[in-house]
Amino acid sequence: EAQVTQNPRYLITVTGKKLTVTCSQNMNHEYMSWYRQDPGLGLRQIYYSMNVEVTDKGDVPEGYKVSRKEKRNFPLILESPSPNQTSLYFCASSPSPTGITEAFFGQGTRLTVV
Amino acid sequence: AQKVTQAQTEISVVEKEDVTLDCVYETRDTTYYLFWYKQPPSGELVFLIRRNSFDEQNEISGRYSWNFQKSTSSFNFTITASQVVDSAVYFCALSEADRGSTLGRLYFGRGTQLTVWP
Repeated sequence: EAQVTQNPRYLITVTGKKLTVTCSQNMNHEYMSWYRQDPGLGLRQIYYSMNVEVTDKGDVPEGYKVSRKEKRNFPLILESPSPNQTSLYFCASSPSPTGITEAFFGQGTRLTVV
Repeated sequence: AQKVTQAQTEISVVEKEDVTLDCVYETRDTTYYLFWYKQPPSGELVFLIRRNSFDEQNEISGRYSWNFQKSTSSFNFTITASQVVDSAVYFCALSEADRGSTLGRLYFGRGTQLTVWP
């Protein structure tokens, strides 16, 4: 089954404790991205990757890191999480970055930083 | 400036009523794509439709229909005979595809919470 898998689905952590949210897709898509969703703000892009070893900042990259060492994986790293990073996070992949096909989204990761 | 505006934050209707969710977008690109996604209470994002800027034909899929009007930069979504299962947050999104645009970025509206009461 074609899918984007995020882990964990839920995470509660403390301020400053490094964490990684994993994202994996099995569709051989070149383009992957991370979004955060906050009430009243919709989804905003954090980082995106056009292909292996090619990443770039989205609208809200501060406090986040990503890596793309393999085509299928695109982890989101929070080196020192803060409470303002409490949010719902989505990973997405698509075969093309142009919008010619829809993006496939993971199930979401609900992160709480206390 | 917000590229995608969903002015309706919340809408409540009673089952079997028709409801229209508004979406207004802003872009200078000639090639772009518009999307609607549904987010049910379980939280996942469900793709509903994609429209490119060169295709202004309205689309109907069962109880769902979409009205794309470039003249007013709108891409509205209508649910006919709404059902309780339609209760969700609905997002409109824009992807710009002209040369020089930031490819791959989906600009989302802030979403419209639709509640359908039995």
